[in-house]
Amino acid sequence: SQQGEEDPQALSIQEGENATMNCSYKTSINNLQWYRQNSGRGLVHLILIRSNEREKHSGRLRVTLDTSKKSSSLLITASRAADTASYFCATDAGTNAGKSTFGDGTTLTVKP
Amino acid sequence: NAGVTQTPKFQVLKTGQSMTLQCAQDMNHNSMYWYRQDPGMGLRLIYYSASEGTTDKGEVPNGYNVSRLNKREFSLRLESAAPSQTSVYFCASSALPGQYSGYTFGSGTRLTVV
Repeated sequence: SQQGEEDPQALSIQEGENATMNCSYKTSINNLQWYRQNSGRGLVHLILIRSNEREKHSGRLRVTLDTSKKSSSLLITASRAADTASYFCATDAGTNAGKSTFGDGTTLTVKP
Repeated sequence: NAGVTQTPKFQVLKTGQSMTLQCAQDMNHNSMYWYRQDPGMGLRLIYYSASEGTTDKGEVPNGYNVSRLNKREFSLRLESAAPSQTSVYFCASSALPGQYSGYTFGSGTRLTVV
């Protein structure tokens, strides 16, 4: 069963613009993670936000978490062509801490 | 470099053949996982091992078996491959709960069953 669902499925922007992608989930969580996957490669962990946190920053990345709406957003500011990738959210529901469920991802294309 | 190493990177099997995908991590992580990713989709959990000596089924375990050989190594076996098992397979590891900071992934094994 799908826990995290990303929106939109695909996003195309110009270099320098901001990119926002959203993740909704169904059950209570311990934490939510965001990953990046470049074409043909493995996933790379970007950021983890715990259920008692509302916002986290890492470089050009900003993640928010709204547990009342069961949703999270990932904002990439001043995007670059190198940010072109698929982005996945993953949720850890806590019943088996560390076993996370992934969404289908948002494919981001940043045009130079 | 510390990380998760998967072998092989590519494999073509005939229906009914068997094979074992190997995974090793040098992160000193306790938990290890096998996921599959089908085109245009997210990852689905096949099996996981919360700690050395334990394994549990994930969302899509049918047709697979696993072995947690030691703390570093976690292998995935296909006993009788089927075309439906054509996919990209990812191994991942993570620290214990409380120290958890997300997964470290291998680069994947691209498997085609014909």
